[in-house]
Amino acid sequence: DQQVKQNSPSLSVQEGRISILNCDYTNSMFDYFLWYKKYPAEGPTFLISISSIKDKNEDGRFTVFLNKSAKHLSLHIVPSQPGDSAVYFCAAPFGNEKLTFGTGTRLTIIP
Amino acid sequence: NAGVMQNPRHLVRRRGQEARLRCSPMKGHSHVYWYRQLPEEGLKFMVYLQKENIIDESGMPKERFSAEFPKEGPSILRIQQVVRGDSAAYFCASSPGIGGENEQFFGPGTRLTVL
Repeated sequence: DQQVKQNSPSLSVQEGRISILNCDYTNSMFDYFLWYKKYPAEGPTFLISISSIKDKNEDGRFTVFLNKSAKHLSLHIVPSQPGDSAVYFCAAPFGNEKLTFGTGTRLTIIP
Repeated sequence: NAGVMQNPRHLVRRRGQEARLRCSPMKGHSHVYWYRQLPEEGLKFMVYLQKENIIDESGMPKERFSAEFPKEGPSILRIQQVVRGDSAAYFCASSPGIGGENEQFFGPGTRLTVL
């Protein structure tokens, strides 16, 4: 049962434009969400998070939006840079903090 | 750099051999998590440990897999009698403790290949 879903396996965006990565979840018990960025042959790196008491969290070029009624969150990156090319995972902690991950979206920034 | 350390980075085993994967958490972190990533999939939770205790092993296969986090030394994920389906990237993460907004910090992973 995939409780966190990323339906777009890949996304290509022109450098300087906005990248929007989407994530849907099914478990209404989730109250905190994280985005991780992963380069090949490396472990995931924490990027940004959001608590369910908020609908937006911003950190520099990265903003995460949460729509609880739709059980949907999105990560916006603007402006997109070549170094942003990576696989992005959304995740939610459940129970004793173990993370449930989506399947990832491979973002490619085109120079 | 006192990040999460994993070794080896790459491990090749033949079917039937044992694989031992090591994880040293970040300094000051007492909680360790192991995740497995199969090709083209997301990371899947395996086990959550604190020092000398297994807190949650609901993601561990029932046979051949075991994990420990001794009082001294790294956490070990052991896979006995490996099969080809065990080929994957195994990631360890650590956190300082439960409660609140408690990000997990990941190591670089061990890539296990079973021939």
